[in-house]
Amino acid sequence: ETGVTQSPTHLIKTRGQQVTLRCSSQSGHNTVSWYQQALGQGPQFIFQYYREEENGRGNFPPRFSGLQFPNYSSELNVNALELDDSALYLCASSPPGLAGGKNEQFFGPGTRLTVL
Amino acid sequence: AQTVTQSQPEMSVQEAETVTLSCTYDTSESDYYLFWYKQPPSRQMILVIRQEAYKQQNATENRFSVNFQKAAKSFSLKISDSQLGDAAMYFCAYRRGETSGSRLTFGEGTQLTVNP
Repeated sequence: ETGVTQSPTHLIKTRGQQVTLRCSSQSGHNTVSWYQQALGQGPQFIFQYYREEENGRGNFPPRFSGLQFPNYSSELNVNALELDDSALYLCASSPPGLAGGKNEQFFGPGTRLTVL
Repeated sequence: AQTVTQSQPEMSVQEAETVTLSCTYDTSESDYYLFWYKQPPSRQMILVIRQEAYKQQNATENRFSVNFQKAAKSFSLKISDSQLGDAAMYFCAYRRGETSGSRLTFGEGTQLTVNP
């Protein structure tokens, strides 16, 4: 069984540019969540996608947007990059189920974004 | 809003000894789940142990156990017989018991060093 994968592993952009990060969910998982982890801090929830619809959003501006595709893979897009967007971006997928608490989130290895 | 606090930025333990990592949280919900995640230098977030709030019995997973004090909103992790491979950043996380997956709220993390 293939786990959660993310691409690219590392990325360097300049301020004002746009970036797209990709995530392939684990087989059978229909929910994908994105987190931003600044250096030395805990991950912060960006948003979640469930069956191709946004299903909850954290305290991030609209220039952070996402997509989920029919195969449940997902993209995170960030426009007008700022220096503070430099962070590790983590994707997590979880399987369908009746009880949300039973839906453990499985994390990918992350994409390290550096904004210069 | 839910918050998670880890008051120990760094901890160290001798190999084969026992160490306890602290976590407190704040919530007005009655149905929730608590987690400890491990993040080694590889950056992959790995679930260590999970506790359902409705269960009075403390969760255990091999050398890992928790002390869940619901009234005090405390959730500590005990690692017994510490091994060099336990060295990592440990995050305490909270999640509401929703039915369709839910966001994780993380603490700031505790960096654990295991000395040989």
